[in-house]
Amino acid sequence: GESVGLHLPTLSVQEGDNSIINCAYSNSASDYFIWYKQESGKGPQFIIDIRSNMDKRQGQRVTVLLNKTVKHLSLQIAATQPGDSAVYFCAEVKGTYKYIFGTGTRLKVLA
Amino acid sequence: DAGVTQSPTHLIKTRGQQVTLRCSPISGHKSVSWYQQVLGQGPQFIFQYYEKEERGRGNFPDRFSARQFPNYSSELNVNALLLGDSALYLCASSGAGLAGGHSPTDTQYFGPGTRLTVL
Repeated sequence: GESVGLHLPTLSVQEGDNSIINCAYSNSASDYFIWYKQESGKGPQFIIDIRSNMDKRQGQRVTVLLNKTVKHLSLQIAATQPGDSAVYFCAEVKGTYKYIFGTGTRLKVLA
Repeated sequence: DAGVTQSPTHLIKTRGQQVTLRCSPISGHKSVSWYQQVLGQGPQFIFQYYEKEERGRGNFPDRFSARQFPNYSSELNVNALLLGDSALYLCASSGAGLAGGHSPTDTQYFGPGTRLTVL
């Protein structure tokens, strides 16, 4: 079946280091991918998105890379801060509105 | 500007009961989607409503139903509750909702969720 999954369930990084969160997807029909951040007790928060006709997109301290050849998506966070501690989800968009989420990666920032 | 709001925050029900969850979208958004998030997993798509019409449905039984009102707010109803329905129910709103593929105006913004516990 279709799925969007993550390689690492938990990632621990030192404050100030860069973080890389990975995601593999199995359905190549999507043309849009989105990263969300979910803090404890809150709903997912939009971080950044990317179309399938792009391989890289940068935001403020975040970069998303898309490799369609191997169906791989990554989120890079520069100079990781304690406030970045959360669960990160990649979502594959099918059509206009159906978002398929993976199980998530927990990012722990160590002081 | 207010984001997506949901009520109630928490809810405890017993098996067999019925529950109604409420969602108010971001002002100007016409589309509302509902997701179920079981602990330790990513959100699972239940429904999307646009202009009061159901536009899509995920793999959920008929016990799950929803509706959207003229002010674009929405209710999710779950009948005959099962223990497995215990989850965080998330509502997301988005803008234009034009068919033919996702655009930035279709980006879904989530509310804080309603935590449903079925005993």
